[in-house]
Amino acid sequence: GESVGLHLPTLSVQEGDNSIINCAYSNSASDYFIWYKQESGKGPQFIIDIRSNMDKRQGQRVTVLLNKTVKHLSLQIAATQPGDSAVYFCAENLSGGSYIPTFGRGTSLIVHP
Amino acid sequence: DSGVTQTPKHLITATGQRVTLRCSPRSGDLSVYWYQQSLDQGLQFLIHYYNGEERAKGNILERFSAQQFPDLHSELNLSSLELGDSALYFCASSPRTGIDEQFFGPGTRLTVL
Repeated sequence: GESVGLHLPTLSVQEGDNSIINCAYSNSASDYFIWYKQESGKGPQFIIDIRSNMDKRQGQRVTVLLNKTVKHLSLQIAATQPGDSAVYFCAENLSGGSYIPTFGRGTSLIVHP
Repeated sequence: DSGVTQTPKHLITATGQRVTLRCSPRSGDLSVYWYQQSLDQGLQFLIHYYNGEERAKGNILERFSAQQFPDLHSELNLSSLELGDSALYFCASSPRTGIDEQFFGPGTRLTVL
């Protein structure tokens, strides 16, 4: 598959464990945040988003937490499965309604069976 | 399969040349977004079109241009190519404009020799 980046932070977990992927964003004026998953050889895939008026949002097996005080975003994956192995990116978008996102470098999640 | 198609899948060309990348959005989607993903810069937003009109620009070089046609497909034109333009170029589409879940295509791998 295609490599999406060198020297990415890597998180290795066992199947069934919970995973937490962290992201520090840069701009306190950002009001919309997105997590993407990118499997080897494929384009990014939307996972979950959150607006700055929320601290937490849950999806199917995933939860995003937003801490605006320290400009930190996390993605929690429950009962991690081998199919969750991928690179995970966070993106921040400045307020104003236009979509002009800035992406983090990503974290590589490796799930061992 | 996201429903977004991109052609070609791979493109190899020489410095100084010009290439055109093509994207067909999901049926019914009015917005098209272009991204560049390189090993050193990560994923970067380039430009957004909605229903034929440019809506937002990101880190797009002046040597690059894009357009969205009446049938909603989009083309990204890259000219005076440099070695550093070698990257994966992704197109994504969404139903509306602004903040919305996006669906990414499989990407075009551009190699500039």
